[in-house]
Parts: sequence; structure tokens; C-alpha cells
Amino acid sequence: ETGVTQTPRHLVMGMTNKKSLKCEQHLGHNAMYWYKQSAKKPLELMFVYNFKEQTENNSVPSRFSPECPNSSHLFLHLHTLQPEDSALYLCASSAGGTGGTGELFFGEGSRLTVL
Amino acid sequence: QQQVKQSPQSLIVQKGGIPIINCAYENTAFDYFPWYQQFPGKGPALLIAIRPDVSEKKEGRFTISFNKSAKQFSLHIMDSQPGDSATYFCAASKGGSNYKLTFGKGTLLTVNP
Repeated sequence: ETGVTQTPRHLVMGMTNKKSLKCEQHLGHNAMYWYKQSAKKPLELMFVYNFKEQTENNSVPSRFSPECPNSSHLFLHLHTLQPEDSALYLCASSAGGTGGTGELFFGEGSRLTVL
Repeated sequence: QQQVKQSPQSLIVQKGGIPIINCAYENTAFDYFPWYQQFPGKGPALLIAIRPDVSEKKEGRFTISFNKSAKQFSLHIMDSQPGDSATYFCAASKGGSNYKLTFGKGTLLTVNP
């Protein structure tokens, strides 16, 4: 059973919709991450939060807006997305903050389809 | 620019075979090299990791071989089993941490019974 829970597991949205992805970790970790996984591409790091503070924005378009209200919860707000944004969005957490060596614990992902 | 190149893209072996997955990196500042395993419908999970001060690390049936001068590392799975069928990702980072990992494209491994 994963210690990182993502909802919803599947999401279909139109290009003009606004939706949010939610991630919750029950592991007591300090760092949380959003990754994008597209077919035949490397996992792409999108955002990193360390102790609720954003420490990394990997040149992600502004139509993706992250929010980290506390160390256990992470959101990805989506608006006016493009079809090429269709992908599996993975949340992960790790111990020791971004300077630590803790392994990444991933959730099962939210499969997003943009029509 | 892809900083970690992984090959092959897919691999099929018979049970008991020894699949080998290779990765090459460009950034000499990388000093931490993990492998993640992903089953269908699941998120990736850390399998094994190595740092450049050793040339080999073994955990159970999984072995990482590391060649610092060639900037290459590989994953070997001894006595492979159908349950090992998954996608394997190599990755690399600086500072010895899992922060800001650069991943390869992944290798889909199928182990036939």
C-alpha cells in the first residue's frame, strides 16, 4: 500500500476547464514533488516543495499552478490546458527535505486526458 | 538535451535469463545513480542505487555496475522471473540526493515463463 495517495486517478477535461489534482502523503516527509510522465519520454520534474516552500519550478507553463498548504498535501491546479498536456502526473515525497538522500516515494499517478 | 540516455527501449527474456539495461550520462557532476522500477498502474519505486565511489553494488538478484570513466552504468537482473516484468528507469543527480533527479526514458522488460 502506497504512503502517497493521489486523486483523482483519472481525469478528462476540456481545454477551457479548471480542475485540480490532489496528493497526500502519510510518511511524515518534508519534500513533495510533481513529475510528468509521458509515453517514451523521461519523467519530467515539474515542481518541488520543501517544508511547504517551492524550491524548484522546472520552467513549467503557468497553466499549471502548484499549491502546498502543508508538508502532507500538494495540489496541482490546472486551467486552459492543451492536448499535449495529456499525461500521467505523479506525486512523490521524500524525507530529509531537498538536501536529504531519502528515496522518492511515488503515488500511483493521476492520468489526465485533455480533449 | 537528454542528459541520461537509456537503452534498450524494450527487452524480452526468458525466465532465468539475465537482462541488462544500460545508461549513459553526460554531466560529470552527477554523483548519485538510482534505478526505479514501475509496474503497470503503479508509481515508480526505488530498486537500487549506487554512488561513484564503488564500481558495483548488489542487492539480491539486482546488480548495478558503474564505469565512471565511461560515464556509464547498468542494471543486471540475475535469474529473472516473470514478476520482474516492469518498466525500469535509471536516473542521476548531483549532491548525492534524490532532489532533482534526471531520468532516462525507461526500459520495458518482459520476462516470459
